[in-house]
Amino acid sequence: EVHLVESGGGLVKPGGSLRLSCTASEFAFSSYTQAWFRQAPGKGLEWVSSISGRSDYMFYADSVRGRFTISRDNAKKSLYLQLNSLRPEDTAVYYCATEYCSGDRCTTAFDPWGQGTLVTVSS
Amino acid sequence: QSALTQPPSVSGSPGQSVTISCTGTSSDIGNYNHVSWYQQTPGTAPKFIIYEVFNRPSGVPDRFSGSKSGNTASLTISGLQPEDDADYYCSSHTSTNTWVFGGGTKLTVL
Repeated sequence: EVHLVESGGGLVKPGGSLRLSCTASEFAFSSYTQAWFRQAPGKGLEWVSSISGRSDYMFYADSVRGRFTISRDNAKKSLYLQLNSLRPEDTAVYYCATEYCSGDRCTTAFDPWGQGTLVTVSS
Repeated sequence: QSALTQPPSVSGSPGQSVTISCTGTSSDIGNYNHVSWYQQTPGTAPKFIIYEVFNRPSGVPDRFSGSKSGNTASLTISGLQPEDDADYYCSSHTSTNTWVFGGGTKLTVL
């Protein structure tokens, strides 16, 4: 069974930076698109960014473009999210997730998800 | 990247059926079969229950079904059980290679 574990969250002041990591258990990590999502306290889910298996394509939500950077290291089976110029509205639990593939066909859904890491932006 | 529209809450008694709607636009739901549904209970990560409008991953009971008409997707849960009490989110891939979510629907099993 595939497991994803996020780390790197914490308390940071507005304007500060953090780097989130997501490490995968044994599976063909490099073959799959990975994504970051977030959920502000008491709010709904929001897609943040996604990256293709070979890092050919990276996409960002309008709310984070220019401030956040997604990257991956397939050799380490790890996904990263660099968060810069943080704002109070970036406070959320950040989840990483893997595109869902059934047999040889991959979809635009995501499964599994990690357990999340909390980022709090406050002075 | 406008959010999809879901009702804030629905409810039903055990054994009944409920349907949760999810309305988007021609840039997402209307022109693509890339709708997914997720179930989330407090303090846990989302659980994936439907992909590509109506497909269920293995392990998801057939009480959960999805459909789409025009710009609106729907999740129907039949034979409600107490463990179905949760938040449900729809999501769609879009024409600009982004993903949008609905605001979530709180299902209360009475």
